[in-house]
Amino acid sequence: AQSVTQLDSQVPVFEEAPVELRCNYSSSVSVYLFWYVQYPNQGLQLLLKYLSGSTLVESINGFEAEFNKSQTSFHLRKPSVHISDTAEYFCAVSFNAGNNRKLIWGLGTSLAVNP
Amino acid sequence: DGGITQSPKYLFRKEGQNVTLSCEQNLNHDAMYWYRQDPGQGLRLIYYSQIVNDFQKGDIAEGYSVSREKKESFPLTVTSAQKNPTAFYLCASSSGTGVGQPQHFGDGTRLSIL
Repeated sequence: AQSVTQLDSQVPVFEEAPVELRCNYSSSVSVYLFWYVQYPNQGLQLLLKYLSGSTLVESINGFEAEFNKSQTSFHLRKPSVHISDTAEYFCAVSFNAGNNRKLIWGLGTSLAVNP
Repeated sequence: DGGITQSPKYLFRKEGQNVTLSCEQNLNHDAMYWYRQDPGQGLRLIYYSQIVNDFQKGDIAEGYSVSREKKESFPLTVTSAQKNPTAFYLCASSSGTGVGQPQHFGDGTRLSIL
């Protein structure tokens, strides 16, 4: 069965430090990968996605994620975080299994950036 | 600007009462979704609709009902059968249900019990 695991429920980090939010998935079929961000009391916003092509994808606000097929991972990274990056981050994986096109969500990682 | 509008932002339910959460989108998307979010449990799919007048149960449909009479609208009713309705409810849409289609979200409705 397909599954998504976000390995850290909470990640505290100091401002301007690098951060990595980890996401692993389990699947026997092709996958499409997404990272979403949720600020307090708001909906989710798409941060970046991997569909095909280059395994390194970037967002407009400095985040990047790399699709690693052999390790079945899609970790999110930023070299220098800001206070405004404090939010909940969700990894999601889409599978195509016949008629069942389903989006599986991780449980989220709460990123807390401290001054 | 195109987007998804959820209303109300906060909603209170009394015992034995049905309440309806509104979701409207002007993105011309075919597919719409309802999720429930509880602390530490991520997003759980309640119902989804791929086309007008059709919808499918998600993982936690018991105690909820939906309708899809118009492409733009996908209201969710939380019935009295839902014994633990306190949660943050999110509506989303996508231009299709293809595997590469990202979902766009509203800002949610927070439902509480009086």
